[in-house]
Amino acid sequence: AQSVTQPDIHITVSEGASLELRCNYSYGATPYLFWYVQSPGQGLQLLLKYFSGDTLVQGIKGFEAEFKRSQSSFNLRCPSVHWSDAAEYFCAVAMGFQKLVFGTGTRLLVSP
Amino acid sequence: GAVVSQHPSWVICKSGTSVKIECRSLDFQATTMFWYRQFPKQSLMLMATSNEGSKATYEQGVEKDKFLINHASLTLSTLTVTSAHPEDSSFYICSAGGYLSYEQYFGPGTRLTVT
Repeated sequence: AQSVTQPDIHITVSEGASLELRCNYSYGATPYLFWYVQSPGQGLQLLLKYFSGDTLVQGIKGFEAEFKRSQSSFNLRCPSVHWSDAAEYFCAVAMGFQKLVFGTGTRLLVSP
Repeated sequence: GAVVSQHPSWVICKSGTSVKIECRSLDFQATTMFWYRQFPKQSLMLMATSNEGSKATYEQGVEKDKFLINHASLTLSTLTVTSAHPEDSSFYICSAGGYLSYEQYFGPGTRLTVT
């Protein structure tokens, strides 16, 4: 079945610490991969995307993600988290045109 | 990326009334628009997909007579929640996509509260 899994519902990190959010997908064809961030009561903001080429992609706000085809993963990383990064993070996979499948989201909490 | 707006950003209505939510693609010709629903602390659930000038395609379990979607132009789609009830209270998000595009551009969302 086509699906996107974010195994961590909540993650708490200290400000200034590094962060990795996990995303795995199940899809038989070439995936087009996205990470979005959603602040409370807000819409989605695109952090980064991967379509092809270099499997390490850079995004906004200092985030990066690495596509690993062998592991069907697209994990999001940040070297130093800021308090303003506290939000909900969604991994999404385009499984064909007009079909964007979202993970269940990971809530990031940042402690001082 | 393209800019997508939604109006209103927040609406309260009484049970039994209808409410219309607008989704506009401000700088992008959106051949396809999508409507999602998001419950608190949950992910986005696709409700329907609409192509400009065509009838919307609804996801399984979504009542097409309750959630009326119109996509009359390349820049505007509307979602009308008819005879709203408290269980329709939710956060509704639209997105816009181009022809044969894998990417969607999201609006800021509309919070609907039905009392």
